[in-house]
Amino acid sequence: DAKTTQPTSMDCAEGRAANLPCNHSTISGNEYVYWYRQIHSQGPQYIIHGLKNNETNEMASLIITEDRKSSTLILPHATLRDTAVYYCIVRDYNQGGKLIFGQGTELSVKP
Amino acid sequence: EPEVTQTPSHQVTQMGQEVILRCVPISNHLYFYWYRQILGQKVEFLVSFYNNEISEKSEIFDDQFSVERPDGSNFTLKIRSTKLEDSAMYFCASSVGGTTQYFGPGTRLLVL
Repeated sequence: DAKTTQPTSMDCAEGRAANLPCNHSTISGNEYVYWYRQIHSQGPQYIIHGLKNNETNEMASLIITEDRKSSTLILPHATLRDTAVYYCIVRDYNQGGKLIFGQGTELSVKP
Repeated sequence: EPEVTQTPSHQVTQMGQEVILRCVPISNHLYFYWYRQILGQKVEFLVSFYNNEISEKSEIFDDQFSVERPDGSNFTLKIRSTKLEDSAMYFCASSVGGTTQYFGPGTRLLVL
């Protein structure tokens, strides 16, 4: 089973920041937080990952709380093309480990 | 930017037939995976493959399934005798060191 809890759905206005929360209260010390998204039935797309520090790349920012029990994915200026299901996945850093997908958050970006 | 590719994009087959789904992972990647997604359901892990052998497999990955890396570039998933419930999107993924996985666009399999 997925070790994360996410809201089922969220709306965001185009051009505004989208903040997607994730709870992972049972995360262990060697587990990373990964974010993927899936647009329609396309393959999951990697967004970002982190261990304990905040991370930023060209797609998004990841804010992880100090106790690591929750995190927030931030899309700074959401566009209509960001409408997708967003998955927060906790994964052990052992080499080769599988990804366990939950239901994710269905983000709808509206004009 | 290198991508994982999958062929065919769509496959229709009759129940009981064998199908082979093909994937070309990113060229310097060493870990390979298959996942599937039944319509309206979660993405589910099937199998991981490293160093020419299966590293891990799920309960779904029974004797009807097999994987192979027949050459230096392809990674295949074979379903020996398809069932109606095998209808799904099948995604291949690869990673260079077993960490971040990159997914292909998927093969939509329909078993009639």
